[in-house]
Amino acid sequence: GAVVSQHPSRVICKSGTSVKIECRSLDFQATTMFWYRQFPKQSLMLMATSNEGSKATYEQGVEKDKFLINHASLTLSTLTVTSAHPEDSSFYICSARDVGGRAINEQFFGPGTRLTVL
Amino acid sequence: KNQVEQSPQSLIILEGKNCTLQCNYTVSPFSNLRWYKQDTGRGPVSLTIMTFSENTKSNGRYTATLDADTKQSSLHITASQLSDSASYICVVQNTGGFKTIFGAGTRLFVKA
Repeated sequence: GAVVSQHPSRVICKSGTSVKIECRSLDFQATTMFWYRQFPKQSLMLMATSNEGSKATYEQGVEKDKFLINHASLTLSTLTVTSAHPEDSSFYICSARDVGGRAINEQFFGPGTRLTVL
Repeated sequence: KNQVEQSPQSLIILEGKNCTLQCNYTVSPFSNLRWYKQDTGRGPVSLTIMTFSENTKSNGRYTATLDADTKQSSLHITASQLSDSASYICVVQNTGGFKTIFGAGTRLFVKA
């Protein structure tokens, strides 16, 4: 199946700093990527939908100025957590949609990034 | 309201035993239903995808069923292994893919 990578896998930062997380589709082109946040023992919560070459669409309650998303190419989307605070500590997961000409636009998930803000 | 509900919330079984996880949904208009396995600290991995016309699909020891009339799905795991310990997430997508609804997941623990 298609492979999605994330970097870094883990990051620890000080409160007030910014952290960038990369999401790459390794063997397919993804016009659409999704960013999720997952707190312990909870399911994934969609934060935003990222479309290549255009502005991301944020879910209600997600601050677009705090979570900056850039989807500059068909294989790369980045999420920058600006001025991170301890409450931003979470597991961030991206997924990429492989249109591939198939009827079902399957999403392939990255391995996730564990962010810890001290 | 589009919802996906999974049961049980958690389950403990002995290695080698079978188990069945349930998923009920109210997503409309329905397009497809997927089951994912998520190991702790990892991203979800797709197990099965089913559309309206499919009522069963297998992937090794995993067999998913779908009843589009009652809007229910199940995931049956046969001869469980320790490595099956994970969260199993049911995800339903509506037509056009404009809405993807995640269930809260079932946490499965397989004990030796």
